Amino acid sequence: EPEVTQTPSHQVTQMGQEVILRCVPISNHLYFYWYRQILGQKVEFLVSFYNNEISEKSEIFDDQFSVERPDGSNFTLKIRSTKLEDSAMYFCASHGGGAETQYFGPGTRLLVL
Amino acid sequence: AQSVAQPEDQVNVAEGNPLTVKCTYSVSGNPYLFWYVQYPNRGLQFLLKYITGDNLVKGSYGFEAEFNKSQTSFHLKKPSALVSDSALYFCAVRAPEAGYSTLTFGKGTMLLVSP
Repeated sequence: EPEVTQTPSHQVTQMGQEVILRCVPISNHLYFYWYRQILGQKVEFLVSFYNNEISEKSEIFDDQFSVERPDGSNFTLKIRSTKLEDSAMYFCASHGGGAETQYFGPGTRLLVL
Repeated sequence: AQSVAQPEDQVNVAEGNPLTVKCTYSVSGNPYLFWYVQYPNRGLQFLLKYITGDNLVKGSYGFEAEFNKSQTSFHLKKPSALVSDSALYFCAVRAPEAGYSTLTFGKGTMLLVSP
């Protein structure tokens, strides 16, 4: 069964450093998402991406964040200068459009020290 | 705006008993409703969804949910709980007619099934 994959599974970084989180969505999917979950809290939407551009973004997704689909398979989330409050589990998701289900990857746990 | 409420932080049930995890939503237009489950240190796994049609939807692992438009609810149910059902359950909504392609999640309900 196809699945969304994410790397790395864990990342520890120093405050102010740049991080890139990587995702490989399901191959025939067209819509891609990033969500985050701060420890003990609910899952929050960050950004959606379709047709090589951002289609929606939340208030959380400020200028420190960017997304890219550099090739036909990867979908990345970059945080330019990490802050302590960026520590969270980051989930990538994808779906094929319409009423289809969003499938989530296993997540990347980011810890900013 | 769209929102989801899961009024219970935790639900405790004995193995073999029926379980219900509650979810209500607020959205403009017709909602798409989803349940996901999260096991410790794992990602979100899709359980079931309501898009249209029959109000009772059946999903993975014997779970089902009933869409109630008048009560704006989408409670998750299972006739007989298993210890292995213990996990964090999230209800989520999309409202594409309102222009929302993204999922809005509830805060989650921890289900604990005791042997």
